[in-house]
Amino acid sequence: QTVVTQEASLSVSPGETVTLTCGLSSGSVSTSFYPSWYQQTPGQAPRTLILSTNIRSSGVPARFSGSILGNKAALTVTGAQADDESTYFCALFMGSGIWVFGGGTKLTVL
Amino acid sequence: EVQLLESGGGLVQPGGSLRLSCAASGFAFSSHAMSWVRQVPDKGLEWVTIISGRDDTTHYADSVRGRFTISRDTSKNTLHLQMNGLRVEDTAIYFCAKHAYWGVDFWGQGALVTVSS
Repeated sequence: QTVVTQEASLSVSPGETVTLTCGLSSGSVSTSFYPSWYQQTPGQAPRTLILSTNIRSSGVPARFSGSILGNKAALTVTGAQADDESTYFCALFMGSGIWVFGGGTKLTVL
Repeated sequence: EVQLLESGGGLVQPGGSLRLSCAASGFAFSSHAMSWVRQVPDKGLEWVTIISGRDDTTHYADSVRGRFTISRDTSKNTLHLQMNGLRVEDTAIYFCAKHAYWGVDFWGQGALVTVSS
């Protein structure tokens, strides 16, 4: 069974740039997996950031961007702010109607 | 304004059944794929099931296939999740989710389902 992989945790200093990745235990992520990214703070519903690799959802600041880097999907936060401290999940479309989420990356801004 | 409001959560014994509903508004409900996604508190997200926006085709995660059924009532703009044969490991917050551009673009606030004796 294919697993979607994410870094368990990352840290970034305020104003700096950080890249989170979303990979596969077997194989490469491409745009055909329609990678999407979600932000979640404790006790809240997820918030959609990025759809279909690089489409920013309505109201999402431009400092969040999505791409494919090498064999993984990537979420880049440019100029991190304190309120970016959250857990970030990616999701991939695996075909046949099936979606799989990654385990999430806890981002600390300090 | 898009709104998704889940209801029907609660406590149920193992082997029991529960039906979740999601009242949708602010968009063309019948035209969009809709999913249920669940989350054990403080753990990761798990996609559960989807119903397509074109022909109501359904798909399920292996963990729930044969026990859960997704459906929609377009006359009431409501999404349902019928859960039978519930197990302790089905305990989670269940989110109703609207799809667009090949991903979830809007989430409900969630309904807590607890399976325990």
